Amino acid sequence: DIQMTQSPSAMSASVGDRVTITCRASQGISNNLAWFQQKPGKVPKRLIYASSSLQSGVPSRFSGSGSGTEFTLTISSLQPEDFATYYCLQHNSYPYTFGQGTKLEIK
Amino acid sequence: EVQVVASGGDLVQPGGSLRLSCAASGFTFSIYAMHWVRQAPGKGLEYVSGISSNGGSTYYANSVKGRFTISRDNSENTLYLQMGSLRAEDTAVYYCARGREVEFWGQGTLVTVSS
Repeated sequence: DIQMTQSPSAMSASVGDRVTITCRASQGISNNLAWFQQKPGKVPKRLIYASSSLQSGVPSRFSGSGSGTEFTLTISSLQPEDFATYYCLQHNSYPYTFGQGTKLEIK
Repeated sequence: EVQVVASGGDLVQPGGSLRLSCAASGFTFSIYAMHWVRQAPGKGLEYVSGISSNGGSTYYANSVKGRFTISRDNSENTLYLQMGSLRAEDTAVYYCARGREVEFWGQGTLVTVSS
């Protein structure tokens, strides 16, 4: 199975900060990676697909990059509604696997 | 409106069985792969199982292989997860999700395994 190592597991930041979250795959997954945001008690919401494509309706401050084994999610200027938990998902091969999550908290 | 609605969650004793359902509407169910993803209380997301659009191929996480069976009825637009030999660590909210890229999720259903 492909292992997804996500870092950091938690971080604190301020409104307006630029934030980067990383996922590393244990083997190459091309660009078959998505990023999800989850707020407490809510269903996960896809932000980025195909590593770098922005889901319709998602603010442009969110961006993704990477291919192969290393991927990043960047939030260019944090807004209050961005404080949540973020997960990467590889859908290159079954069984699919998620990263462990990054909890983004207000500093 | 696209909807996937999971149901069937319940309190079950260790070693017991349970069947979850996911009713799909608002899209052509038979052309999409479907998945189950779970989230234990206070924990991260865990991929559980997936099935191809025609049901011919199924996939499982190692943690559930041999205990859970995924299936679908394209005539009824419904996805299933038959869960057996349940353990305390299977306690979670179970989500069903649509598409090869797991792009659309429905509200989950809570499964609690406890004596």
